[in-house]
Amino acid sequence: EAGVAQSPRYKIIEKRQSVAFWCNPISGHATLYWYQQILGQGPKLLIQFQNNGVVDDSQLPKDRFSAERLKGVDSTLKIQPAKLEDSAVYLCASSLGLGSYEQYFGPGTRLTVT
Amino acid sequence: DQQVKQNSPSLSVQEGRISILNCDYTNSMFDYFLWYKKYPAEGPTFLISISSIKDKNEDGRFTVFLNKSAKHLSLHIVPSQPGDSAVYFCAASADSGGGADGLTFGKGTHLIIQP
Repeated sequence: EAGVAQSPRYKIIEKRQSVAFWCNPISGHATLYWYQQILGQGPKLLIQFQNNGVVDDSQLPKDRFSAERLKGVDSTLKIQPAKLEDSAVYLCASSLGLGSYEQYFGPGTRLTVT
Repeated sequence: DQQVKQNSPSLSVQEGRISILNCDYTNSMFDYFLWYKKYPAEGPTFLISISSIKDKNEDGRFTVFLNKSAKHLSLHIVPSQPGDSAVYFCAASADSGGGADGLTFGKGTHLIIQP
């Protein structure tokens, strides 16, 4: 079974530029999550989707971050404009559904903002 | 305010011995706990979990213990192997009525298995 796919794996941008990350969850997984992991910290939830609807985006900095999951499968996370403090690994995870606690993570995208 | 705490940033254990990783939480609403293992440049890998209605769950060399009254859980690895060297994250979740919430993670413990 294929795991969670993410691209790109690495991205370097200058502050005030925009960037987008892509995620394809495990086939059949209805719930998709984006996490931000800053160096030395554990992952922090940004947004949770159930199919193509948002379940929780309370920790998403909505002035600069946006995410969508239009067809209920793959998802895009965008940052515009980026700040230095956005430098982190962005992890995508998926689970079977809202009744399932186990989440399966992709390899992440390492973003460096200079 | 950290709701999930892993107070040991690192732990060194001799190969073949028991590794014990600890985790404390403050949110009484958490009802499910998970351990993830992470190698450099990879995403976290699910290892083992436990529901709040249990106090122990075992899977091969890995056992998780939950003490609800103390709001404490621990992961035991017996015997420890070189491939166990990784960062281990404790995570917790709650069902706020709409199903499983996103995970709240600790900062991780770097386990080093010495040959």
